[in-house]
Amino acid sequence: DVKVTQSSRYLVKRTGEKVFLECVQDMDHENMFWYRQDPGLGLRLIYFSYDVKMKEKGDIPEGYSVSREKKERFSLILESASTNQTSMYLCASRIQGIGNQPQHFGDGTRLSIL
Amino acid sequence: AQKITQTQPGMFVQEKEAVTLDCTYDTSDPSYGLFWYKQPSSGEMIFLIYQGSYDQQNATEGRYSLNFQKARKSANLVISASQLGDSAMYFCAMSPGGSQGNLIFGKGTKLSVKP
Repeated sequence: DVKVTQSSRYLVKRTGEKVFLECVQDMDHENMFWYRQDPGLGLRLIYFSYDVKMKEKGDIPEGYSVSREKKERFSLILESASTNQTSMYLCASRIQGIGNQPQHFGDGTRLSIL
Repeated sequence: AQKITQTQPGMFVQEKEAVTLDCTYDTSDPSYGLFWYKQPSSGEMIFLIYQGSYDQQNATEGRYSLNFQKARKSANLVISASQLGDSAMYFCAMSPGGSQGNLIFGKGTKLSVKP
């Protein structure tokens, strides 16, 4: 089974802090994704990566950056956290190039910015 | 614009009955994939079922089936013989052709199964 592990289930940070959310997958997947989920809005794509050191902006990249130094790890960075970044963050990975393969998700990080 | 629409914010179903969750999509790509995910209150996203745009038959996975009507651009999820453990949020998602497996999600439907 694919395992996608997010470093924290719950995280509380203060406004202005630099926040790191870590995601690790164990299936050698090329593609990795970061989403945020808010009530009534579904999942929105922040950034994705299809290879080491490669990154692409999703629909809502403002206020975020990402890092992918190793294939198995994809980090989301909040450069200067703000209260409107309080949300549920979900990481996913997927094998590249096979259309019917789903994204596999981690358990999510509920981030509160005070 | 590519979009997924789930018009039912919340639904109730009696245990052991079947339920249909609606999903319509908008794309001009001839090639795309449609996915359904379940999200229990614990938060993890669980993949349920996939339908490809060129698939001739409706997808089925156990108690889940997908009613795919391509001309109407709909991909409704049917859950047969509902169980209490089916209570969750359900998300429909589309992977447009040529994407790197990116998914466009609907806003979800909250299903509650009554005993």
